[in-house]
Amino acid sequence: AQSVSQHNHHVILSEAASLELGCNYSYGGTVNLFWYVQYPGQHLQLLLKYFSGDPLVKGIKGFEAEFIKSKFSFNLRKPSVQWSDTAEYFCAVNGGSSASKIIFGSGTRLSIRP
Amino acid sequence: ETGVTQSPTHLIKTRGQQVTLRCSSQSGHNTVSWYQQALGQGPQFIFQYYREEENGRGNFPPRFSGLQFPNYSSELNVNALELDDSALYLCASSYSGTPNYGYTFGSGTRLTVV
Repeated sequence: AQSVSQHNHHVILSEAASLELGCNYSYGGTVNLFWYVQYPGQHLQLLLKYFSGDPLVKGIKGFEAEFIKSKFSFNLRKPSVQWSDTAEYFCAVNGGSSASKIIFGSGTRLSIRP
Repeated sequence: ETGVTQSPTHLIKTRGQQVTLRCSSQSGHNTVSWYQQALGQGPQFIFQYYREEENGRGNFPPRFSGLQFPNYSSELNVNALELDDSALYLCASSYSGTPNYGYTFGSGTRLTVV
């Protein structure tokens, strides 16, 4: 069965620091990859997605992610975080035998110190 | 376009009772997926409905059941509630049976079982 691992449960950064959140998935076939964000008190929102093509994907609010097939990874990055980036971030995967559903990781809570 | 709306927003039930949660999909979407998000965890796939038929199910017991109506809105029913059913229940809609373009999530229903 497919699974998604997010290595960091809670990350604390100062404003303007660079961010990288790790994500690894288990499925070896063709996959679609997503990063979702959940701001405090709000619903899950799509940050970015990868289906095919350029493995470096740019999303909203200055976020980007790189798909590295050989490492089964899809890490999320941002060069300079802001206090407003405080949220829960979820990596997710879809594909193969689980084509009808998106499987989420356990999430990384990001706290930004002003 | 309207987003995904869920009702009610909060609910308190007693162990052993039954509950029905409702979801209206985003305009133009014909697929609804339901997720359970326990505190501190990522969303867990319950099941998906596509064109009024169940189109995939996660590892949830049969007391979790659902419906999709001709207007693509959906219900999640849970019988014989247990304390562990306390969670945020998320509804997500998408354009087709496979979520290649990601989901649009509602704000969720917070269910507390006492």
